[in-house]
Amino acid sequence: EAGVAQSPRYKIIEKRQSVAFWCNPISGHATLYWYQQILGQGPKLLIQFQNNGVVDDSQLPKDRFSAERLKGVDSTLKIQPAKLEDSAVYLCASSLGVGLDNQPQHFGDGTRLSIL
Amino acid sequence: TQLLEQSPQFLSIQEGENLTVYCNSSSVFSSLQWYRQEPGEGPVLLVTVVTGGEVKKLKRLTFQFGDARKDSSLHITAAQPGDTGLYLCAGAGSGGYNKLIFGAGTRLAVHP
Repeated sequence: EAGVAQSPRYKIIEKRQSVAFWCNPISGHATLYWYQQILGQGPKLLIQFQNNGVVDDSQLPKDRFSAERLKGVDSTLKIQPAKLEDSAVYLCASSLGVGLDNQPQHFGDGTRLSIL
Repeated sequence: TQLLEQSPQFLSIQEGENLTVYCNSSSVFSSLQWYRQEPGEGPVLLVTVVTGGEVKKLKRLTFQFGDARKDSSLHITAAQPGDTGLYLCAGAGSGGYNKLIFGAGTRLAVHP
């Protein structure tokens, strides 16, 4: 089975520019997550979708970050405008079901974002 | 706010040594998951412990969930260089959202 695909792998931009990340979850996985992992820290959940609906975006800085999951499959995460503090690895993960706890989350390899 | 503290932050050992890393919280979780993350890759699930007091073994790795479901430990016997990586624990809430809260991780280096 193909894993979670993310692109690009690396991105370098200047502050105040915009950037977008793309994620294709494992086929059939209903739930999709975007995490931010700052160097030396664990992943922090930014937004969670179940199918194409948002179930948690409490830690998403909504003044600059946005995400969508059209048709309940692929997802994009956008930052506009970027700040220096946004330098991090952005991880996408997916899990199979809806309404179930304790399910494994399958992660992509992430996009490493550097803000100059 | 639910927090998970992992200790130690860093561990550098020789091949063949044993080690234990800890994951502690003041909050109760419905389960604890342990992941390993290698440089340039995403975390990979190692195990999920659900029941208080549960012990699970994965080859040379032994995972334990505390009786009160607030803490967990990972013990590695006879560590190998291939065990090198970042070990993350993640606490799961209840309510059907499958939401995880991650600790900051223990970075393990095993030298030949």
